[in-house]
Amino acid sequence: KQEVTQIPAALSVPEGENLVLNCSFTDSAIYNLQWFRQDPGKGLTSLLLIQSSQREQTSGRLNASLDKSSGRSTLYIAASQPGDSATYLCAVSGRDDKIIFGKGTRLHILP
Amino acid sequence: DAGVIQSPRHEVTEMGQEVTLRCKPISGHNSLFWYRQTMMRGLELLIYFNNNVPIDDSGMPEDRFSAKMPNASFSTLKIQPSEPRDSAVYFCASSLTISAGGLLGEQFFGPGTRLTVL
Repeated sequence: KQEVTQIPAALSVPEGENLVLNCSFTDSAIYNLQWFRQDPGKGLTSLLLIQSSQREQTSGRLNASLDKSSGRSTLYIAASQPGDSATYLCAVSGRDDKIIFGKGTRLHILP
Repeated sequence: DAGVIQSPRHEVTEMGQEVTLRCKPISGHNSLFWYRQTMMRGLELLIYFNNNVPIDDSGMPEDRFSAKMPNASFSTLKIQPSEPRDSAVYFCASSLTISAGGLLGEQFFGPGTRLTVL
């Protein structure tokens, strides 16, 4: 059974710093991995989607990497801003089209 | 495109009442998902439709929950009878499934329905 873990559960960093969020999964037989952002009281916004054949995806200040063999993905945020404060979730889809979400990392950027 | 539309945005009801949540997916998407989010359990997939057909309902907690997708532009999630432990935020999401083998595409979420059962 696929399990997705995100550590740490919460993170605070000063504005301007670069940071890395982690996502690990137990079954490497995945089709893709998706990173989402969720603001308080809101729905999820898709940030990046990495197919199983890809190693990374970039969008603006965000870069997501995927290492299937080790069951890990990272989301790199460059030059963090207060507006980046949110909860970040990763989700993997795999065999039988099961989609499993991590519980997220709550990020707070300190002005 | 207006994105995924959900209604109502908030619902407060009493235990034992029937609750119906509604979702309109993004036009052209052929997969629709219902999720439930709570602080304790995080985001859980309840049911997944592909081309209006339920593919996986293993996440539906019990018989009190049912979901339908009568056409490509509308889906409902019904709880009857509702219980206080059903209180959660319910999200609908849609995506374009890429292949017959089921490669799921990027998911787009609606704003959610916050359900409170008293």
